[in-house]
Amino acid sequence: DTGVSQDPRHKITKRGQNVTFRCDPISEHNRLYWYRQTLGQGPEFLTYFQNEAQLEKSRLLSDRFSAERPKGSFSTLEIQRTEQGDSAMYLCASSLTSDEQFFGPGTRLTVL
Amino acid sequence: SQQGEEDPQALSIQEGENATMNCSYKTSINNLQWYRQNSGRGLVHLILIRSNEREKHSGRLRVTLDTSKKSSSLLITASRAADTASYFCAIMNSNSGYALNFGKGTSLLVTP
Repeated sequence: DTGVSQDPRHKITKRGQNVTFRCDPISEHNRLYWYRQTLGQGPEFLTYFQNEAQLEKSRLLSDRFSAERPKGSFSTLEIQRTEQGDSAMYLCASSLTSDEQFFGPGTRLTVL
Repeated sequence: SQQGEEDPQALSIQEGENATMNCSYKTSINNLQWYRQNSGRGLVHLILIRSNEREKHSGRLRVTLDTSKKSSSLLITASRAADTASYFCAIMNSNSGYALNFGKGTSLLVTP
């Protein structure tokens, strides 16, 4: 499968714990995006990388959130001191141009 | 808000009928994209229309864009049960960099 992959697909954690998600984009795509989606809503943009540079961050990305793309390939999204309000589907997307974005299956986070 | 807003929120039709969904937005755009989301395949790009285009077709899909009214419509002709999904419009504008701003979506149910 040459699409965007995300790991894990599901994560259940207790409030206050740290969690880390991984995204592997389509191999030739230099652009990578993270979005968050809650039930009944559309995806909300979190952050954007071009190669290894993080070029854009949403105000939604509080200081508990950090994203990296160290070698311009895979990316990780870490949430520290999770809160119940962090429960959501975390989507990763990649693209080659500024047009169509290809989305992964998402990581569903449940914070108890 | 920079995001698109879809109308209606929910739509139920029978196979063979046409489905029309509308999207309104408030800012100037570079392009407007439509995505489909269902539990089986995640978020999938359907079609992109640029700000200088008025209409595009792709298979059974027809998208129109009226920048003077800041609105777009997605028409699915001869609908099938497999078209059952949530449909989102997403705005890309110069103020948001490369982030896509999604609406809340239209939930389409196509019954046999």
